[in-house]
Amino acid sequence: DAKTTQPPSMDCAEGRAANLPCNHSTISGNEYVYWYRQIHSQGPQYIIHGLKNNETNEMASLIITEDRKSSTLILPHATLRDTAVYYCIVHSYNAGNMLTFGGGTRLMVKP
Amino acid sequence: DAGITQSPRHKVTETGTPVTLRCHQTENHRYMYWYRQDPGHGLRLIHYSYGVKDTDKGEVSDGYSVSRSKTEDFLLTLESATSSQTSVYFCAISATAENTEAFFGQGTRLTVV
Repeated sequence: DAKTTQPPSMDCAEGRAANLPCNHSTISGNEYVYWYRQIHSQGPQYIIHGLKNNETNEMASLIITEDRKSSTLILPHATLRDTAVYYCIVHSYNAGNMLTFGGGTRLMVKP
Repeated sequence: DAGITQSPRHKVTETGTPVTLRCHQTENHRYMYWYRQDPGHGLRLIHYSYGVKDTDKGEVSDGYSVSRSKTEDFLLTLESATSSQTSVYFCAISATAENTEAFFGQGTRLTVV
């Protein structure tokens, strides 16, 4: 699976959009981009994923560049409850759908 | 929330004793995984299963064994616990091998003294 690079930490004001970047310059054509988050010591929570097109769901939007070498997760109106570590993961089909977690970005939403 | 239950949620055990952690799912998902999470290392895959009696090793499988005799249960066994296995253990499930999300349990905090 391709390796990802994320900033270790970011701050965001409550109510503003949080834009979390991820670089995955070695991504291959069959690899998806996934985002998970982990709030405090809970289990990771799925947010969104995509292959080439931008995606949006009730939690967030995922913007993937045309060359697919980077992506941005957007939380449109961050709340204090969005404070968490956000993981960007790229992977393709292989036996077991194993997710490889990197260091992630620690997002701090401040009042 | 996906139906995943890990037990126990907390355990303290002595070095050299066997320990079994249980992951139980009610979603009938084919794939199940065991991860461990340590400060400075993030989440690392220990073992995974792609069906009943079908398992394989992950990144950090030494000292661990697993079994899956039923779709709903995936057991992680530490044959002889060591202090380096003190960690938080997460179970995860997914329905398919691609283009789908994985659901994680709430974790088991294991302390080996």
